[in-house]
Amino acid sequence: DALMTQSPLSLPVTLGQPASISCRSSQSLVYSDGNTYLNWFQQRPGQSPRRLIYEVSNRDSGVPDRFSGSGSGTYFTLKISSVEAEDVGVYYCMRGSHPYTFGQGTKLEIK
Amino acid sequence: EVQLVESGGGLVQPGGSLRLSCAASGFTFSSYWMSWVRQAPGKGLEWVANINQDGSGKYYVDSVKGRFTISRDNAKNSQYLQMNSLRAEDTAVYYCATKQGDYWGQGTLVTVSS
Repeated sequence: DALMTQSPLSLPVTLGQPASISCRSSQSLVYSDGNTYLNWFQQRPGQSPRRLIYEVSNRDSGVPDRFSGSGSGTYFTLKISSVEAEDVGVYYCMRGSHPYTFGQGTKLEIK
Repeated sequence: EVQLVESGGGLVQPGGSLRLSCAASGFTFSSYWMSWVRQAPGKGLEWVANINQDGSGKYYVDSVKGRFTISRDNAKNSQYLQMNSLRAEDTAVYYCATKQGDYWGQGTLVTVSS
């Protein structure tokens, strides 16, 4: 089975400081069409998930440019250049090809 | 404005059945693979099932295979999840979403308990 392992699982960050979340897959996420289907989601308290990044590094419309994604193959990273209060929530990576799998989630809180 | 509105959740006894519905608007529903994703109370996200654009391709997480059936009606811009033989561990908020997660509904709570 494909496993998606995130770290850290808890991320206390001071306002204005950067944050980084890693996501490691047990299998290469390069699909047969040459694309890499790795997405990042934010879930604020009491809300539905919201996609931030698709295909490793493409920011969704309306997502602040302080969010960025990078990586390849089996190792991926979500970075927030300067954390704001509205960034509090849980962040998930997701393998976007079968078998679709989410990481365990990383809870970002303000220190 | 894109909207995905789930309905059909509720309290059901173990072994019972429930059918979830998701009504889509604001985008070309028939062009999208669709998914169901669930979240148990206080837990993370779990992909449940996908269906392709014309309904001919369906995929399920192992834990629901043989019990859940995903379907869609493009004429009604809707997708469905028929859940049979429900277990306590199926208790969760069920989200309707596009396959790559660009759009999500607000979720509907399914509670399996006697």
